[in-house]
Amino acid sequence: ETGVTQTPRHLVMGMTNKKSLKCEQHLGHNAMYWYKQSAKKPLELMFVYSLEERVENNSVPSRFSPECPNSSHLFLHLHTLQPEDSALYLCASSQALPGAGGEKLFFGSGTQLSVL
Amino acid sequence: QQQVKQSPQSLIVQKGGISIINCAYENTAFDYFPWYQQFPGKGPALLIAIRPDVSEKKEGRFTISFNKSAKQFSLHIMDSQPGDSATYFCAASIANSGNTPLVFGKGTRLSVIA
Repeated sequence: ETGVTQTPRHLVMGMTNKKSLKCEQHLGHNAMYWYKQSAKKPLELMFVYSLEERVENNSVPSRFSPECPNSSHLFLHLHTLQPEDSALYLCASSQALPGAGGEKLFFGSGTQLSVL
Repeated sequence: QQQVKQSPQSLIVQKGGISIINCAYENTAFDYFPWYQQFPGKGPALLIAIRPDVSEKKEGRFTISFNKSAKQFSLHIMDSQPGDSATYFCAASIANSGNTPLVFGKGTRLSVIA
C-alpha cells in the first residue's frame, strides 16, 4: 500500500459517456500528478498540480479535465473519449514540489480504462 | 534535451544471472536519477536513486552505475530472481527547475526465467 488510492480500478465507458476518476493521497504530500500508461507511451505525463495549482498541462485534449479541490484529492473528468484513450491512468503524489529536484513519486495502482 | 533514452525495451535473463538496463540523457543539468519498478497491476515504485556526485550506489542486489562524462547510467540486478520480473523505468530531474517534473524513460520489461 503506497498511501495513494485510486478508484475505480476498472472502468468501461462508451464514447458519449461522462465519468470521473478519483485519486486520494494520505501522505500529506504537496504535489499530485496524472499519468497515462499505454503500450505506445509507457509513462505519459498529463497534468501536474503543485500546492493545488495546476502547473503543467502536457498538451492534453480537452476531453480530459482535471480537478484538484484540495491537497489530498485529485480527479480526472472524462467526456466524449475515443477508443485510443483506452489505457491505464495512474495518479501519483510527491512531498517535494515538481522541479524541486529529488522528488520521490508515490503511485497508485491505477484505473484501467476501456473506451468502447 | 529533456528526454531519457532507455534500452533495451525487453530483456530475458536466466535465474541467477545479471540483468543490465541502460539509460542515456542529453541535458547535463539533470542531477537526480531514480529507477522505478512496476509489477503487473501496480503503479511504479521507487527502487533506487543516485546523484551525480557518486559513480555507483548499491542497495542489496540492485546497483546503479553512473558515468557523468558519457551521460549514461545503468541498473544492474545481481543474482536475478523470478520475483524481479517487472517493468523498470529510469528517470531524471533537475533541482530548482521551476515546476519541471521528473522525466521518465520508456521502460524495460524484464523477465527472469528459471
